[in-house]
Amino acid sequence: DVKVTQSSRYLVKRTGEKVFLECVQDMDHENMFWYRQDPGLGLRLIYFSYDVKMKEKGDIPEGYSVSREKKERFSLILESASTNQTSMYLCASSLQVDEQFFGPGTRLTVL
Amino acid sequence: GENVEQHPSTLSVQEGDSAVIKCTYSDSASNYFPWYKQELGKRPQLIIDIRSNVGEKKDQRIAVTLNKTAKHFSLHITETQPEDSAVYFCAASSEGGGNKLTFGTGTQLKVEI
Repeated sequence: DVKVTQSSRYLVKRTGEKVFLECVQDMDHENMFWYRQDPGLGLRLIYFSYDVKMKEKGDIPEGYSVSREKKERFSLILESASTNQTSMYLCASSLQVDEQFFGPGTRLTVL
Repeated sequence: GENVEQHPSTLSVQEGDSAVIKCTYSDSASNYFPWYKQELGKRPQLIIDIRSNVGEKKDQRIAVTLNKTAKHFSLHITETQPEDSAVYFCAASSEGGGNKLTFGTGTQLKVEI
């Protein structure tokens, strides 16, 4: 049974703070993804990674960066949080072109 | 890049009726089309997917059809039940993209008793 976990369910940060969101998967998946979910906008891809130390920009990478030092771990970094980054952040992992397994999500509020 | 449009944004049906959600995509290279269900407060979960070498796939009360020529695919739920109430997302992916999915904006399905 695939398990994808995220470091926090809820997070409150102040404008300008550096924010780290961490995702861990236990199924040796090569692909990992970070999405943000906003009402009416669906799931939008921020960044993804298909291998350790590899990263690709998604559709909305501005204001974010990522790190993948180990296969099981994919981190999303907000260098200087802004109020428009208040959102639900979902991590996912997958094998090749196949089902993506999602984490429980982190609801981030930036004040 | 890929663009996926999904309709309707909300859908209300009576229990036992059928529900249909439609999606169109723009990239003719896309060849994998999954559907995810997200219940309130939960994570999205795959309910069915289809690849471009087939036109239809069924799993009990759920079916997906794909028309590659017209670049659209649809989710059909028959004999709807209250537990089918959720947000449904379609998505499209091309093989060369590292399983990069482009999602539709979602359909809120409400099954009324």
